[in-house]
Amino acid sequence: AQSVTQLGSHVSVSEGALVLLRCNYSSSVPPYLFWYVQYPNQGLQLLLKYTSAATLVKGINGFEAEFKKSETSFHLTKPSAHMSDAAEYFCAVSTNTGFQKLVFGTGTRLLVSP
Amino acid sequence: DADVTQTPRNRITKTGKRIMLECSQTKGHDRMYWYRQDPGLGLRLIYYSFDVKDINKGEISDGYSVSRQAQAKFSLSLESAIPNQTALYFCATSDRGPTQETQYFGPGTRLLVL
Repeated sequence: AQSVTQLGSHVSVSEGALVLLRCNYSSSVPPYLFWYVQYPNQGLQLLLKYTSAATLVKGINGFEAEFKKSETSFHLTKPSAHMSDAAEYFCAVSTNTGFQKLVFGTGTRLLVSP
Repeated sequence: DADVTQTPRNRITKTGKRIMLECSQTKGHDRMYWYRQDPGLGLRLIYYSFDVKDINKGEISDGYSVSRQAQAKFSLSLESAIPNQTALYFCATSDRGPTQETQYFGPGTRLLVL
């Protein structure tokens, strides 16, 4: 069975600072990994995904994530936070065999202060 | 226009009432999903459907039923609503081609059961 752990339900950064949101996964088979973002009163939007190609994945809005098999991690980063990045971020895992059931983490709310 | 739409966007109902949440998509995807989101718990899968004749229970299907009226429509029903079904409900879709692992989400329906 797959699972995802997101460390920190809330992360606060200043505008212009580095954003680091942590995600560790557990999977008995090679995983697909995703980061979704949820802005207030909106649905989930795909930020980026890892599907066993390049381990460093670039997404929208300047975000990127690196797949590290040895650490079972897929942390999300952005070099310089913007006020518009304030949102909730979800990491998710699915298998690359059979049905693509997504298992979500509990989410991390990113707060960006001026 | 949005690719995945949900109606209603907000709903207040009373305990014991039957309600239906509707989802429509114009992405042409075969697969559709219903999730619920609760604070601190992330998203959990209620039901999923691979096509009109293929409907499957997710991890938390008790108290819910679904109907796949057409490829583009997937409805979620609460036969007798209870307060702990108060949550944010999301519909999602995915295709069965090379990008089948990516799910696209609607804007959500906020349900309050009194």
